[in-house]
Amino acid sequence: QQQVKQSPQSLIVQKGGISIINCAYENTAFDYFPWYQQFPGKGPALLIAIRPDVSEKKEGRFTISFNKSAKQFSLHIMDSQPGDSATYFCAASNPYSGAGSYQLTFGKGTKLSVIP
Amino acid sequence: GAGVSQSPRYKVAKRGQDVALRCDPISGHVSLFWYQQALGQGPEFLTYFQNEAQLDKSGLPSDRFFAERPEGSVSTLKIQRTQQEDSAVYLCASSSTSGGTYEQYFGPGTRLTVT
Repeated sequence: QQQVKQSPQSLIVQKGGISIINCAYENTAFDYFPWYQQFPGKGPALLIAIRPDVSEKKEGRFTISFNKSAKQFSLHIMDSQPGDSATYFCAASNPYSGAGSYQLTFGKGTKLSVIP
Repeated sequence: GAGVSQSPRYKVAKRGQDVALRCDPISGHVSLFWYQQALGQGPEFLTYFQNEAQLDKSGLPSDRFFAERPEGSVSTLKIQRTQQEDSAVYLCASSSTSGGTYEQYFGPGTRLTVT
């Protein structure tokens, strides 16, 4: 059972464009939703995270939009640059509930290529 | 400060051999996680420690996999009698889980290839 579904699998965006990656989750107990960026040969690096009490969070060029009723969240990368070319993973966990689980459940990843 | 470090970075094992993978978490981080990442996939949870206590090992795929963190800092993931399906990148992450923050910081991983 895949608890976090991520799309698209791959994405090609022109430099300066907006990259949009979507995730949907099934477990309504999830209350923490981070996005990670991974370059080849490196470990995942935390980009930005959101909790379900807000609908949007922005940090620099990166924005998470969150729709609790639809159980969906997305990552928007504004003014995409060739250096943003990497694989992006959404994830979810429920550390904030009383008997919460700290383990992250990841999506399958989106390979982003930003072309000049 | 230093991030999460893992060693070795690459390990080649013949099928049937035992391997040990080491993780040095960020100093002071109480929580430590192991994940397995197959090629082209997202990381999958293996096990979780809070200090020296292994609180969740539900993701360990078989009894050939064993993890320990005896002094609440460095952790070792051991795989006995390796099989080809064990080939993957093994990632370690640590988290402070203090002050209501739960960010997990990952190491570079150990790429295990079983031949």
